[in-house]
Amino acid sequence: GESVGLHLPTLSVQEGDNSIINCAYSNSASDYFIWYKQESGKGPQFIIDIRSNMDKRQGQRVTVLLNKTVKHLSLQIAATQPGDSAVYFCAESSSGTYKYIFGTGTRLKVLA
Amino acid sequence: EPEVTQTPSHQVTQMGQEVILRCVPISNHLYFYWYRQILGQKVEFLVSFYNNEISEKSEIFDDQFSVERPDGSNFTLKIRSTKLEDSAMYFCASKTWTGYSPLHFGNGTRLTVT
Repeated sequence: GESVGLHLPTLSVQEGDNSIINCAYSNSASDYFIWYKQESGKGPQFIIDIRSNMDKRQGQRVTVLLNKTVKHLSLQIAATQPGDSAVYFCAESSSGTYKYIFGTGTRLKVLA
Repeated sequence: EPEVTQTPSHQVTQMGQEVILRCVPISNHLYFYWYRQILGQKVEFLVSFYNNEISEKSEIFDDQFSVERPDGSNFTLKIRSTKLEDSAMYFCASKTWTGYSPLHFGNGTRLTVT
């Protein structure tokens, strides 16, 4: 069932509208970024990634934008569907380290 | 599509008991990880493992924790003497090569320490 956690930022969008989920990172050495989707009771599921030598990457219905100047990452979901309802996490990594650091997450609610 | 599998899905144990969480990473992957998530909060890094040794670990991963790849397919996390605060979802992840590749996660083991 639904897990109760900290007060995650929540984004509510109407079905069919576009969603934009934001993430700020602090490590200027981070050079690889990933967006994950986590549905209730499941593990994080890979959506899309981007390296720091790019500022935009597109997938199927999703686009990731990277602004290294302000250390900001966003995930855009086009034509949001009920199945997009989940918690979305950004994760960052840097050369010379093995670990991937996750952000705090944003809950996306799609309204019918 | 190949996936990371974790067993059991839910483990209940008493405080002070040892627990072993099991994972089968994706077969051609070389890097293995454990993360934990307390009650839907942030996903926290515990440890990474490559070439049969720990490559990096967090402050959470103290002497009570250990990892092992005993037979070339399983990857285990052992907690020697569980505490109440070890209650969390534990996720195993793997990736195929060093550098810019994403982690692939299993669906986790919910550990409840009573």
